[in-house]
Amino acid sequence: DQQVKQNSPSLSVQEGRISILNCDYTNSMFDYFLWYKKYPAEGPTFLISISSIKDKNEDGRFTVFLNKSAKHLSLHIVPSQPGDSAVYFCAARRDNYGQNFVFGPGTRLSVLP
Amino acid sequence: DAGVTQSPTHLIKTRGQQVTLRCSPKSGHDTVSWYQQALGQGPQFIFQYYEEEERQRGNFPDRFSGHQFPNYSSELNVNALLLGDSALYLCASSLDPHRLDYGYTFGSGTRLTVV
Repeated sequence: DQQVKQNSPSLSVQEGRISILNCDYTNSMFDYFLWYKKYPAEGPTFLISISSIKDKNEDGRFTVFLNKSAKHLSLHIVPSQPGDSAVYFCAARRDNYGQNFVFGPGTRLSVLP
Repeated sequence: DAGVTQSPTHLIKTRGQQVTLRCSPKSGHDTVSWYQQALGQGPQFIFQYYEEEERQRGNFPDRFSGHQFPNYSSELNVNALLLGDSALYLCASSLDPHRLDYGYTFGSGTRLTVV
């Protein structure tokens, strides 16, 4: 039973345009959500997070939106750059469970020059 | 400043054998967590070590065990290896067991292949 879903395995976007990566979850006990980026042969790198008490968090070119009623979050990257090409993982934590994150399967983003 | 260091980077083992993976946390970090990432999937939480004790555990059988040493480094042991244990094993470290986001650093992982 996959509690965190990323239904798009891959996404291609033109440089300069907006990238929108989506994530759905099933467990209403999740209270904290994160996005990680992973390049080949490297470990995941933290990108941005959002608490369940907020509906938006922004950090430079990256914005995460949370829709609790729909159990949906999205990551917007504006403008997209070729260096953003990587696998993006959505992760969720339940109920102050420390660092026990549940990760989605990832979406591979390709930003075309 | 070295980040999280994992060894070895690649490993091939035979079904039924035992394996030990090692992790040195980022300097200043005292908490280590381990994740298993199967091909095409996201990382799956195995367990977390803090103050040399297992603090949290994911849905993994007892064949998966660990240890944390006084210098905060950690080992992941897997007994009676199965073909399905083939995966990338990631270690992550932080200062305190509840630190998230920028304070949570992953290593590059150990690629384990069971044949």
